[in-house]
Amino acid sequence: EADIYQTPRYLVIGTGKKITLECSQTMGHDKMYWYQQDPGMELHLIHYSYGVNSTEKGDLSSESTVSRIRTEHFPLTLESARPSHTSQYLCASSELGLTDTQYFGPGTRLTVL
Amino acid sequence: AQSVTQLGSHVSVSEGALVLLRCNYSSSVPPYLFWYVQYPNQGLQLLLKYTSAATLVKGINGFEAEFKKSETSFHLTKPSAHMSDAAEYFCAVSLGGATNKLIFGTGTLLAVQP
Repeated sequence: EADIYQTPRYLVIGTGKKITLECSQTMGHDKMYWYQQDPGMELHLIHYSYGVNSTEKGDLSSESTVSRIRTEHFPLTLESARPSHTSQYLCASSELGLTDTQYFGPGTRLTVL
Repeated sequence: AQSVTQLGSHVSVSEGALVLLRCNYSSSVPPYLFWYVQYPNQGLQLLLKYTSAATLVKGINGFEAEFKKSETSFHLTKPSAHMSDAAEYFCAVSLGGATNKLIFGTGTLLAVQP
Protein backbone atom coordinates (compact mmCIF):
# COMPACT_ATOMS: atom_id res chain seq x y z
CA GLU A 1 0.00 0.00 0.00
CA ALA A 2 1.35 3.41 -0.98
CA ASP A 3 2.03 5.54 2.06
CA ILE A 4 4.23 8.14 3.72
CA TYR A 5 6.22 7.29 6.83
CA GLN A 6 7.93 9.34 9.50
CA THR A 7 10.31 8.15 12.20
CA PRO A 8 10.62 8.55 15.06
CA ARG A 9 7.06 9.44 16.06
CA TYR A 10 8.23 10.94 19.35
CA LEU A 11 11.68 12.18 20.32
CA VAL A 12 12.89 13.73 23.57
CA ILE A 13 16.46 14.95 23.41
CA GLY A 14 18.86 17.25 25.21
CA THR A 15 20.08 20.63 24.04
CA GLY A 16 23.01 20.57 21.64
CA LYS A 17 22.34 17.13 20.16
CA LYS A 18 22.27 16.53 16.42
CA ILE A 19 19.04 14.92 15.23
CA THR A 20 17.64 13.65 11.95
CA LEU A 21 13.94 13.23 11.34
CA GLU A 22 13.21 10.63 8.68
CA CYS A 23 10.52 10.83 6.01
CA SER A 24 9.90 8.27 3.30
CA GLN A 25 7.11 7.81 0.77
CA THR A 26 6.27 4.88 -1.46
CA MET A 27 4.05 6.76 -3.92
CA GLY A 28 6.80 7.88 -6.29
CA HIS A 29 5.92 11.55 -5.73
CA ASP A 30 8.37 14.16 -6.96
CA LYS A 31 7.34 16.95 -4.57
CA MET A 32 7.99 16.66 -0.85
CA TYR A 33 7.46 19.12 1.98
CA TRP A 34 8.28 19.68 5.65
CA TYR A 35 5.86 21.63 7.84
CA GLN A 36 6.22 22.77 11.45
CA GLN A 37 3.15 22.78 13.67
CA ASP A 38 3.00 24.23 17.18
CA PRO A 39 0.06 23.29 19.45
CA GLY A 40 -3.11 25.14 18.51
CA MET A 41 -1.40 26.82 15.59
CA GLU A 42 -1.44 26.51 11.83
CA LEU A 43 1.13 24.55 9.87
CA HIS A 44 4.04 26.50 8.44
CA LEU A 45 6.09 25.33 5.47
CA ILE A 46 9.81 25.17 6.34
CA HIS A 47 11.30 23.19 3.42
CA TYR A 48 10.23 21.71 0.10
CA SER A 49 11.70 19.80 -2.82
CA TYR A 50 10.69 19.39 -6.48
CA GLY A 51 12.72 16.22 -6.89
CA VAL A 52 16.13 14.66 -6.44
CA ASN A 53 18.87 17.21 -5.65
CA SER A 54 16.27 20.00 -5.33
CA THR A 55 15.65 21.71 -1.97
CA GLU A 56 14.15 25.09 -1.16
CA LYS A 57 13.40 27.01 2.02
CA GLY A 58 9.77 27.59 2.89
CA ASP A 59 7.89 30.52 4.32
CA LEU A 60 8.97 30.03 7.93
CA SER A 61 12.64 30.47 8.69
CA SER A 62 14.15 27.33 10.18
CA GLU A 63 17.61 26.35 11.40
CA SER A 64 17.06 22.85 10.05
CA THR A 65 18.43 21.53 6.77
CA VAL A 66 17.11 18.93 4.35
CA SER A 67 18.47 16.71 1.60
CA ARG A 68 16.92 14.82 -1.31
CA ILE A 69 19.27 12.19 -2.62
CA ARG A 70 16.55 9.69 -3.45
CA THR A 71 13.02 10.36 -4.68
CA GLU A 72 11.42 8.50 -1.79
CA HIS A 73 13.51 9.95 1.05
CA PHE A 74 13.49 13.52 2.46
CA PRO A 75 15.24 13.70 5.86
CA LEU A 76 15.37 16.82 8.03
CA THR A 77 18.41 17.52 10.20
CA LEU A 78 19.03 19.82 13.16
CA GLU A 79 22.77 20.15 13.82
CA SER A 80 22.33 21.42 17.38
CA ALA A 81 18.89 21.09 18.92
CA ARG A 82 17.55 23.86 21.18
CA PRO A 83 14.37 24.14 23.27
CA SER A 84 12.98 26.58 20.68
CA HIS A 85 12.95 23.66 18.20
CA THR A 86 10.33 21.85 20.28
CA SER A 87 7.39 21.34 17.94
CA GLN A 88 5.63 18.83 15.72
CA TYR A 89 7.17 18.24 12.29
CA LEU A 90 4.98 16.96 9.47
CA CYS A 91 6.24 15.60 6.16
CA ALA A 92 4.09 15.57 3.02
CA SER A 93 4.37 14.61 -0.63
CA SER A 94 2.45 15.26 -3.84
CA GLU A 95 2.61 14.72 -7.57
CA LEU A 96 3.74 17.49 -9.91
CA GLY A 97 0.30 18.73 -10.99
CA LEU A 98 -0.92 22.23 -10.15
CA THR A 99 -3.64 21.10 -7.76
CA ASP A 100 -2.39 17.74 -6.65
CA THR A 101 -3.25 16.69 -3.15
CA GLN A 102 -0.54 16.72 -0.51
CA TYR A 103 -0.42 13.49 1.49
CA PHE A 104 0.83 13.78 5.04
CA GLY A 105 2.81 11.49 7.27
CA PRO A 106 1.85 10.96 10.94
CA GLY A 107 4.36 13.51 12.19
CA THR A 108 7.27 13.58 14.62
CA ARG A 109 6.73 15.29 17.95
CA LEU A 110 10.10 16.69 19.06
CA THR A 111 10.86 17.87 22.58
CA VAL A 112 14.22 19.47 23.31
CA LEU A 113 15.07 19.78 26.99
CA ALA B 1 -0.96 37.67 -0.39
CA GLN B 2 -3.01 34.61 0.33
CA SER B 3 -4.43 33.95 3.76
CA VAL B 4 -7.01 31.78 5.45
CA THR B 5 -9.19 32.63 8.43
CA GLN B 6 -11.05 29.98 10.36
CA LEU B 7 -13.71 31.44 12.64
CA GLY B 8 -13.98 29.59 15.92
CA SER B 9 -11.00 27.70 17.28
CA HIS B 10 -13.37 25.38 19.16
CA VAL B 11 -16.79 24.16 18.02
CA SER B 12 -18.99 21.80 20.03
CA VAL B 13 -22.06 20.03 18.63
CA SER B 14 -24.32 17.26 19.79
CA GLU B 15 -24.27 13.89 18.08
CA GLY B 16 -26.70 14.00 15.17
CA ALA B 17 -26.59 17.81 14.88
CA LEU B 18 -25.41 19.85 11.91
CA VAL B 19 -21.68 20.52 11.70
CA LEU B 20 -20.64 23.92 10.29
CA LEU B 21 -16.98 24.92 10.27
CA ARG B 22 -16.21 28.31 8.78
CA CYS B 23 -13.37 29.25 6.47
CA ASN B 24 -12.76 32.54 4.67
CA TYR B 25 -9.87 33.09 2.32
CA SER B 26 -8.04 35.99 0.81
CA SER B 27 -6.49 35.58 -2.61
CA SER B 28 -5.78 37.86 -5.53
CA VAL B 29 -6.35 35.09 -8.05
CA PRO B 30 -8.80 32.18 -8.17
CA PRO B 31 -7.67 29.88 -5.39
CA TYR B 32 -7.57 26.19 -4.87
CA LEU B 33 -9.10 25.34 -1.50
CA PHE B 34 -8.73 22.33 0.75
CA TRP B 35 -10.13 20.93 3.98
CA TYR B 36 -7.96 18.54 5.98
CA VAL B 37 -8.78 16.63 9.17
CA GLN B 38 -6.26 15.72 11.87
CA TYR B 39 -7.05 13.08 14.47
CA PRO B 40 -5.01 13.02 17.71
CA ASN B 41 -1.39 12.03 17.21
CA GLN B 42 -1.86 11.59 13.45
CA GLY B 43 -1.01 13.46 10.30
CA LEU B 44 -3.46 15.38 8.14
CA GLN B 45 -5.96 13.59 5.91
CA LEU B 46 -7.64 15.27 2.94
CA LEU B 47 -11.42 15.64 3.33
CA LEU B 48 -12.11 17.48 0.07
CA LYS B 49 -10.73 20.05 -2.33
CA TYR B 50 -12.02 22.74 -4.70
CA THR B 51 -10.16 23.22 -7.96
CA SER B 52 -12.51 25.50 -9.95
CA ALA B 53 -14.93 22.82 -11.12
CA ALA B 54 -18.26 22.44 -9.28
CA THR B 55 -18.74 24.95 -6.46
CA LEU B 56 -20.29 22.32 -4.18
CA VAL B 57 -17.63 19.78 -3.34
CA LYS B 58 -18.38 16.46 -1.71
CA GLY B 59 -15.73 14.75 0.37
CA ILE B 60 -15.21 11.72 2.51
CA ASN B 61 -17.14 10.79 5.66
CA GLY B 62 -20.24 12.73 4.56
CA PHE B 63 -18.61 16.17 4.55
CA GLU B 64 -19.13 18.77 1.87
CA ALA B 65 -18.10 22.37 1.27
CA GLU B 66 -19.41 25.15 -0.95
CA PHE B 67 -17.15 27.66 -2.67
CA LYS B 68 -18.74 31.13 -2.62
CA LYS B 69 -16.63 33.63 -4.49
CA SER B 70 -18.81 36.62 -3.53
CA GLU B 71 -18.32 35.83 0.15
CA THR B 72 -14.74 34.51 -0.23
CA SER B 73 -15.84 31.53 1.83
CA PHE B 74 -15.41 27.78 1.78
CA HIS B 75 -17.37 26.52 4.78
CA LEU B 76 -17.38 22.83 5.69
CA THR B 77 -20.65 21.11 6.60
CA LYS B 78 -22.00 17.72 7.58
CA PRO B 79 -25.73 17.17 8.13
CA SER B 80 -25.39 14.85 11.13
CA ALA B 81 -22.38 14.71 13.44
CA HIS B 82 -20.96 11.42 14.61
CA MET B 83 -18.74 10.85 17.62
CA SER B 84 -15.93 9.78 15.28
CA ASP B 85 -15.94 13.27 13.70
CA ALA B 86 -14.25 14.72 16.79
CA ALA B 87 -10.91 16.02 15.49
CA GLU B 88 -9.14 19.17 14.36
CA TYR B 89 -10.04 20.57 10.96
CA PHE B 90 -7.80 22.77 8.84
CA CYS B 91 -8.75 24.89 5.86
CA ALA B 92 -5.97 25.64 3.38
CA VAL B 93 -5.49 27.68 0.21
CA SER B 94 -3.07 27.21 -2.66
CA LEU B 95 -2.33 29.09 -5.84
CA GLY B 96 -1.07 25.89 -7.40
CA GLY B 97 1.90 26.44 -9.63
CA ALA B 98 5.22 24.70 -9.50
CA THR B 99 5.45 24.80 -5.74
CA ASN B 100 1.82 24.05 -4.85
CA LYS B 101 2.43 25.49 -1.39
CA LEU B 102 -0.46 25.34 1.06
CA ILE B 103 -1.34 28.20 3.39
CA PHE B 104 -3.20 26.84 6.40
CA GLY B 105 -5.71 28.35 8.79
CA THR B 106 -5.22 28.01 12.54
CA GLY B 107 -7.61 25.06 12.73
CA THR B 108 -10.94 24.35 14.41
CA LEU B 109 -11.21 21.72 17.09
CA LEU B 110 -14.55 19.94 16.79
CA ALA B 111 -16.03 18.27 19.86
CA VAL B 112 -19.06 16.00 19.53
CA GLN B 113 -21.18 15.55 22.64
CA PRO B 114 -23.24 12.38 23.14
